[in-house]
Formats: sequence, C-alpha cells, structure tokens
Amino acid sequence: DAMVIQNPRYQVTQFGKPVTLSCSQTLNHNVMYWYQQKSSQAPKLLFHYYDKDFNNEADTPDNFQSRRPNTSFCFLDIRSPGLGDAAMYLCATSRPLAGGGNIQYFGAGTRLSVL
Amino acid sequence: AQTVTQSQPEMSVQEAETVTLSCTYDTSESNYYLFWYKQPPSRQMILVIRQEAYKQQNATENRFSVNFQKAAKSFSLKISDSQLGDTAMYFCALWFNNAGNMLTFGGGTRLMVKP
Repeated sequence: DAMVIQNPRYQVTQFGKPVTLSCSQTLNHNVMYWYQQKSSQAPKLLFHYYDKDFNNEADTPDNFQSRRPNTSFCFLDIRSPGLGDAAMYLCATSRPLAGGGNIQYFGAGTRLSVL
Repeated sequence: AQTVTQSQPEMSVQEAETVTLSCTYDTSESNYYLFWYKQPPSRQMILVIRQEAYKQQNATENRFSVNFQKAAKSFSLKISDSQLGDTAMYFCALWFNNAGNMLTFGGGTRLMVKP
C-alpha cells in the first residue's frame, strides 16, 4: 500500500498559471519534505516541515510556497510557473530511528510540465 | 558544509554479474549516517541500505552490501547477482544529527542491467 501519495502523477500547466501539487501520508510522520528533481539530477530540497514548523531553504524561489494544514497533508503551490520550473516534484516524510538517524520515505512524484 | 560525490554518472552490468557504485563524502561531523537510495524509472525512490558511521561492520541487505571506509570517507555499494529490476538511478546520501532532518545527496549514478 502506498504510504506517501502524490497527486496528480502528471500535471500540465500554462506559463504563469498557478498550480498546486498535493501530498498525503499514512505513516503519521512528523516531518514532510518537498524536493524538486530535474532530469538525471539529485533531488533538491525546497522546504520541509517539522510538525507545523516551516523551514525554507535559502535558495528556494519566492514563487514556491507550501502549506501543511495537518499531519497527513502537505501542498506545494507554484504561484507563477516558468519554463524552468518543469521538473519532477517529490514529497517525502521521515521518522527518527531508535538507534539514531532517520529514514525518508518518498512518494512517486508529480511530473510538472509548463507550456 | 557537507558534500557527497558520485564519480560515475552511468554504469552498466550484465545480468547476474556484480557491480560496485562509488561514493565519497566530506563532513566534519563524527556522528552521521550514510544511505543508498534507488530510483527506478518512473517509480518512487526507496531506501536500499543504510550505515551508521559509528559501526565498523559493513551493512548488508540480501544482494546489496556496502564497503564503508570511514578514514577515507568512502561508501561504495556492491550489487551481487544483478537483476534487470536493479536498473535505476542510485543516490548516495548523508545525514547527521544536527542536519535539521535534511539529507545531502550525491549527483546519482544511472545503472543499466543488461540481459
């Protein structure tokens, strides 16, 4: 059963038209992440939540916003998508491990195309 | 700053053979964790194996094992008896306790298993 669910899997939007990507989790993890991943590159962290505490990466453009209304859901809003925002967007959650460290669990991603 | 380097952008291996993916890292932390994540084409990223830096014994998970050389800051992944389903991008990643729940990823290695 999918534990980190991203909808939709594919999203097409027009240049400048706001778009929202969604993520939900059944793991009850307190940390949720949004990554941007371009072709054949490593995921780039945009922001993460520790519970309701929002942490923005310094180089995340202002065009990207996020909301986490409750533990289970997290949204990525792109206010005015540009052609350079076309990418795969990954949601992940994490939990601490008994022996230390943590593990991140990823969703299947939403591939965003900007026309 | 922490860095993770994967020097092999692409590799290929014949089915049933063994392949080793390289990873080097740099950190000033003493307590950290290393991971290999697998991202199959159009599928979600999953954890393959993890290693605690304080453990000398190399981690193993079925056909996957690591060669952790702490002094050299090297963390290679060995895949034995390669299967077609091992075809994927492989990312090496580093996490430490004061990282604010964040992973540092390497650039990835694309592995192709050939029949």
